[in-house]
Amino acid sequence: EPEVTQTPSHQVTQMGQEVILRCVPISNHLYFYWYRQILGQKVEFLVSFYNNEISEKSEIFDDQFSVERPDGSNFTLKIRSTKLEDSAMYFCASRGAFFGQGTRLTVV
Amino acid sequence: SQQGEEDPQALSIQEGENATMNCSYKTSINNLQWYRQNSGRGLVHLILIRSNEREKHSGRLRVTLDTSKKSSSLLITASRAADTASYFCATAGLPQGGSEKLVFGKGMKLTVNP
Repeated sequence: EPEVTQTPSHQVTQMGQEVILRCVPISNHLYFYWYRQILGQKVEFLVSFYNNEISEKSEIFDDQFSVERPDGSNFTLKIRSTKLEDSAMYFCASRGAFFGQGTRLTVV
Repeated sequence: SQQGEEDPQALSIQEGENATMNCSYKTSINNLQWYRQNSGRGLVHLILIRSNEREKHSGRLRVTLDTSKKSSSLLITASRAADTASYFCATAGLPQGGSEKLVFGKGMKLTVNP
């Protein structure tokens, strides 16, 4: 069964550093999403992406965040200058219901 | 804004008992989904029910949807210790330009004691 894969599973980074979280969505899906879950809290929508453009984004998705699909298969979330409060589990999803296993980002 | 809210927030039962979780939301939806999450792990999609459906079954899971009351319930029958996890409902509104973002509830922690 096709699945969404995310790498790395866990990343630790220094505050102020840039991080790139990677996702390989299911190949014939057209819509891709990033969500965030701060420890112990609910899953929050960040951004949706279609046809190489952002189709919708939340208030959380500020100028520190960017997404791109550089090579037609990978879908990346970049955080330019990480803050402590960016520590969370980040989930990639394709076509709404298909979630990856998540990347746990720890900012120290 | 539409938002799923699970009720109760925590439930502890004995193995073999049934577990019922409820979810309420505020605005019109296209579908409602239930997910399971083991502690600190990924989201496992359990079941999707569309707005024109009233009940759906999958194995030991039974989901109902009442759009007039803007509520859904998830029933897990004959629970097992392995069902211990957090359960989330998530609603998808009418697609905006094709995008079906999900709005998640806060989740409900189910503990099944052996």
